[in-house]
Amino acid sequence: AQRVTQPEKLLSVFKGAPVELKCNYSYSGSPELFWYVQYSRQRLQLLLRHISRESIKGFTADLNKGETSFHLKKPFAQEEDSAMYYCALKSGGSYIPTFGRGTSLIVHP
Amino acid sequence: ETGVTQSPTHLIKTRGQQVTLRCSSQSGHNTVSWYQQALGQGPQFIFQYYREEENGRGNFPPRFSGLQFPNYSSELNVNALELDDSALYLCASSLGPGGPGTDTQYFGPGTRLTVL
Repeated sequence: AQRVTQPEKLLSVFKGAPVELKCNYSYSGSPELFWYVQYSRQRLQLLLRHISRESIKGFTADLNKGETSFHLKKPFAQEEDSAMYYCALKSGGSYIPTFGRGTSLIVHP
Repeated sequence: ETGVTQSPTHLIKTRGQQVTLRCSSQSGHNTVSWYQQALGQGPQFIFQYYREEENGRGNFPPRFSGLQFPNYSSELNVNALELDDSALYLCASSLGPGGPGTDTQYFGPGTRLTVL
């Protein structure tokens, strides 16, 4: 069975500090990994997916198959990054995504 | 371009009742997925419909059922409501069911269901 673990319910940093939101997964095949974000009073939306290898709003995430991790990183946090972040996994060829419990990121001024 | 809409916004039911939640897909999208999000949890996949056919199902009992209509709007029906069904129900539409070019999901605002 596939599983996504986000060990931190809450991550609190100051503006300008580096931020890393952790995501570990359990899946034996070739996974497809995603990060979703939900800003206050807004809808859940896709932030980035590992196969795109892109940087969105300064965030990057690298899939580490050896450590089964897909941590989300940003070198300098901004107040507008404060949001709920969800890591999600889809197994190759499946339409069924598995979400983690989410991490609330608070960036203080 | 119209985004995903859901109705109603909030709903209160009693145990044993039945409920129907509605979702209108984003223009041009033929795939809709439904999720249940309990308080403090991530979304949990219920099922997906592609061109009016169920295309995948999560670990939910048969009393959770759905429909997708020719205009690609969708319904989620839950029979014999239980207290644990209290949650936020999210609908998401996409251009298609699979592949990075088409499966990006656009979420609606959700329906908050409370079962007493």
